[in-house]
Amino acid sequence: RKEVEQDPGPFNVPEGATVAFNCTYSNSASQSFFWYRQDCRKEPKLLMSVYSSGNEDGRFTAQLNRASQYISLLIRDSKLSDSATYLCVVKSSNTGKLIFGQGTTLQVKP
Amino acid sequence: DTAVSQTPKYLVTQMGNDKSIKCEQNLGHDTMYWYKQDSKKFLKIMFSYNNKELIINETVPNRFSPKSPDKAHLNLHINSLELGDSAVYFCASSQDSIRPEAFFGQGTRLTVV
Repeated sequence: RKEVEQDPGPFNVPEGATVAFNCTYSNSASQSFFWYRQDCRKEPKLLMSVYSSGNEDGRFTAQLNRASQYISLLIRDSKLSDSATYLCVVKSSNTGKLIFGQGTTLQVKP
Repeated sequence: DTAVSQTPKYLVTQMGNDKSIKCEQNLGHDTMYWYKQDSKKFLKIMFSYNNKELIINETVPNRFSPKSPDKAHLNLHINSLELGDSAVYFCASSQDSIRPEAFFGQGTRLTVV
């Protein structure tokens, strides 16, 4: 079983749609959680950290459920520029490693 | 100012050659990493250094040798390149355990022919 699992998609949605990505992780000792965004042929960039209380940054909302070992990202009012691959990332407190999911591809269509 | 910079951006080389990729960060971070992203887009950690000390060494062939002359630099040397080494290699850095999020360089696209 992969340490961090995501549905690879692709998710094809129209502009203005709301889309949600899910991620599960296997190591209960994980301590830090992030969503990264990677555009085609570019480096991954931090989108937002994920906190147990849930956090919001504009149109983006991240949630963490430690009991279920589940992380989500909600994007409201999708823009064409949101088209990218979204990577779920977990930091292990055991090893200190950042473990990346394989990413979920989002394509927003006009 | 580029926070994490790596060179070269593209590298095409023949099997059996030895090559190096350089990485520098000007963020004052303590920890630096090398990641490999294969054709299936999985990002896998290869090495991690903290203040010039190796702290993570994944199951990577010993043809790959990282070197950290100081905490702002982490270079990757690859001996006897093989076709399967073709991938994008990303350097990254993070501040410390309190601020663990990583910042990535633009990547080095290595093609072995």
